[in-house]
Amino acid sequence: AQTVTQSQPEMSVQEAETVTLSCTYDTSESDYYLFWYKQPPSRQMILVIRQEAYKQQNATENRFSVNFQKAAKSFSLKISDSQLGDAAMYFCAYRSPGSSNTGKLIFGQGTTLQVKP
Amino acid sequence: EAQVTQNPRYLITVTGKKLTVTCSQNMNHEYMSWYRQDPGLGLRQIYYSMNVEVTDKGDVPEGYKVSRKEKRNFPLILESPSPNQTSLYFCASSPTDRGLPGELFFGEGSRLTVL
Repeated sequence: AQTVTQSQPEMSVQEAETVTLSCTYDTSESDYYLFWYKQPPSRQMILVIRQEAYKQQNATENRFSVNFQKAAKSFSLKISDSQLGDAAMYFCAYRSPGSSNTGKLIFGQGTTLQVKP
Repeated sequence: EAQVTQNPRYLITVTGKKLTVTCSQNMNHEYMSWYRQDPGLGLRQIYYSMNVEVTDKGDVPEGYKVSRKEKRNFPLILESPSPNQTSLYFCASSPTDRGLPGELFFGEGSRLTVL
């Protein structure tokens, strides 16, 4: 069974600085999707970025980018020029494309990011 | 506005008192799902539905029921709630492409406390 691990329960960053959140996963599949979700205090789950495993190029979305290392099964999220509004819990998630039609996302434990002014 | 709406957002109840958390989406999505979020465990899938009258268990279905009588609605039913069902619940929906779900759209969450 696939698993997702976020080993950093909490992180902090100074406003305008860069921070990297770690995520590792375990799978025997060669094709899959990876996601980072943001959960601010409002609790809404917001998709930040997604990566298809067959794409070698790392996904980028404005100040958010990933470092996808397929062989190492690592999927870290880099937030550049951190802003106060980036403070939230961040979840890494895995999805198998054939997910047996369950559509299931497998989530990591989450990392709480604090942004200091 | 495209959205997934859950109600209630907050609920405190007592052991054994049946409750229903409603979920409605206005995007005509075929796929809907329920997750629960617990500290240190992330989110785990409870039930999912590929379309009307088609539902199946996720990873943690014990103590829950669902129904999908209409495409837009997917209520989560706790017939006899217990304290271990105290959690934050999320409903999510997705369009399907060739029968497979795509990107999930989440509701705002329902905080349930069972005393």
